[in-house]
Amino acid sequence: DVKVTQSSRYLVKRTGEKVFLECVQDMDHENMFWYRQDPGLGLRLIYFSYDVKMKEKGDIPEGYSVSREKKERFSLILESASTNQTSMYLCASSLFGRIRGEGYTFGSGTRLTVV
Amino acid sequence: SQQGEEDPQALSIQEGENATMNCSYKTSINNLQWYRQNSGRGLVHLILIRSNEREKHSGRLRVTLDTSKKSSSLLITASRAADTASYFCATEGAAGNKLTFGGGTRVLVKP
Repeated sequence: DVKVTQSSRYLVKRTGEKVFLECVQDMDHENMFWYRQDPGLGLRLIYFSYDVKMKEKGDIPEGYSVSREKKERFSLILESASTNQTSMYLCASSLFGRIRGEGYTFGSGTRLTVV
Repeated sequence: SQQGEEDPQALSIQEGENATMNCSYKTSINNLQWYRQNSGRGLVHLILIRSNEREKHSGRLRVTLDTSKKSSSLLITASRAADTASYFCATEGAAGNKLTFGGGTRVLVKP
């Protein structure tokens, strides 16, 4: 089974801290994604990457950056955490030119609280 | 803005009944996907239907797609308590590989 592993299940950080959320997938997927999920707003795409060292802005990139130095790892960085970044963060991966019938594989999520 | 909008937002049914939820979207798509999320966890892919398909089945799941109405439905037959979860539709636009999710339908299956 494809696995997408997010390094932390729960995280509490202080306002102004630099925060790193790590995501690793083990099935050689080209595509990786970071979403945040908030009540009433569904999932919103922050950043995605189709290849190593490549990144694309999603719908809500402000206040975030990403890093993809290796194919299996996609990191989300909050440069200076703020309380409005308190959320559930979900990482996902998929094959490029997806095999018929396959969708995204998600990690279990990181619930980040910024105090 | 969200591409997909699910309806209803919440659904409560008895075990054994069928559950139907709908998804509407706004722009042209390559495919539409349905995902399940158990409380506080990641999403699990259920089924993908391509824009040139009208209906698809997977076990107790039946998905329809009407591109003329820009809508899809997910039917779960003979529901079980374990089907209690939130269900999301997601669309992949013509441009590429990223998915846009709707707000989800919360389903409660009472034993």
